[in-house]
Amino acid sequence: GAVVSQHPSWVICKSGTSVKIECRSLDFQATTMFWYRQFPKQSLMLMATSNEGSKATYEQGVEKDKFLINHASLTLSTLTVTSAHPEDSSFYICSAKTGTSIMNTEAFFGQGTRLTVV
Amino acid sequence: SQKIEQNSEALNIQEGKTATLTCNYTNYSPAYLQWYRQDPGRGPVFLLLIRENEKEKRKERLKVTFDTTLKQSLFHITASQPADSATYLCALDMVRPGRRALTFGSGTRLQVQP
Repeated sequence: GAVVSQHPSWVICKSGTSVKIECRSLDFQATTMFWYRQFPKQSLMLMATSNEGSKATYEQGVEKDKFLINHASLTLSTLTVTSAHPEDSSFYICSAKTGTSIMNTEAFFGQGTRLTVV
Repeated sequence: SQKIEQNSEALNIQEGKTATLTCNYTNYSPAYLQWYRQDPGRGPVFLLLIRENEKEKRKERLKVTFDTTLKQSLFHITASQPADSATYLCALDMVRPGRRALTFGSGTRLQVQP
């Protein structure tokens, strides 16, 4: 299957600093990527949909100024957590879909990034 | 509101038995439903997709059923092995303008005892 690479796999940062997480599709072009957040023993919560060359679409309750998403190319999307606070500590996962029909294809996920803000 | 429900309690079974996991949804009519496996500290991995006009789908030891009347999908793992131990997530496509992302259930943790 298609490969999505996410980096870093874990990061510890100080409160008030910013952290950038990269999501790359290695062997396909992803016109759309998705960013999820997952708390322990809970499901994935969609944060935003990232479309190449345009602004991301954020879910209700997600602060777009805090979680900056950039999808500058067909193989790279980045999520920047700005002015991070301990409550931003979580598991962040990106995914991308292949194929011309974005509706009925499976999603491929990155390995996730464990963010700990101290 | 739209809901996807999976049994939040862990399912413990003996090796060799069949594991059956349930996914129920409300206030939604999905065109298809997907099942994923997630290991601790990892991203989900796609397993199977079943469309609304398909009653059943199989892949090796995996079987998925989809009952759009009951609004339920069942996920079966036959001849289960300890390596099947993981959290299994069902997911539906939530179609809204600009938001064609998957929405996930909370997952069911499966533990297969040797």
